[in-house]
Amino acid sequence: NAGVTQTPKFQVLKTGQSMTLQCAQDMNHEYMSWYRQDPGMGLRLIHYSVGAGITDQGEVPNGYNVSRSTTEDFPLRLLSAAPSQTSVYFCASSYTFYRDTEAFFGQGTRLTVV
Amino acid sequence: TQLLEQSPQFLSIQEGENLTVYCNSSSVFSSLQWYRQEPGEGPVLLVTVVTGGEVKKLKRLTFQFGDARKDSSLHITAAQPGDTGLYLCAGGNNDMRFGAGTRLTVKP
Repeated sequence: NAGVTQTPKFQVLKTGQSMTLQCAQDMNHEYMSWYRQDPGMGLRLIHYSVGAGITDQGEVPNGYNVSRSTTEDFPLRLLSAAPSQTSVYFCASSYTFYRDTEAFFGQGTRLTVV
Repeated sequence: TQLLEQSPQFLSIQEGENLTVYCNSSSVFSSLQWYRQEPGEGPVLLVTVVTGGEVKKLKRLTFQFGDARKDSSLHITAAQPGDTGLYLCAGGNNDMRFGAGTRLTVKP
């Protein structure tokens, strides 16, 4: 079982560059989300999607775009990378968007912006 | 300001000791979840509590949801080095938000 797969695992970007963090799940889950994790801040929600074609903003959406063209994939795009976006990014999926459903997480992407 | 406040932020204890960590909010939640995260990995669900006053046990871990559904606690009995990790609570009404976590270290 692959579960939630994130690529790449590590990335270094220069300020102003753009890139896409990939996230794919093979569990036919409706709900997918992106978080960033910074020391002392826990996981902060960037964007989420309750199904294909539907996305919404979380707590910290600025500087990030998402799309959900298929159930399986939920890429996160950094439009113009800034040092403040240095973080560990986690993608998660769950069967539905109801609050008490278990979320499955990928292994994370460690991004450094220099 | 975090929607969910966790305390303490750090906890270092000896093997065999008991401990309690807390998750508090000013908001009412329909449910709260506890996750554990190890270095280099994503969080993994431990438990979901859905009813005010509910107590759930998972081996040496006891989870409680407050009567008003605004807070929760995690108690570990006779902690072991394998319990070391970051413990996160999560809740939300339209989306899932996480607390900053309690980083637990259990020394042999």
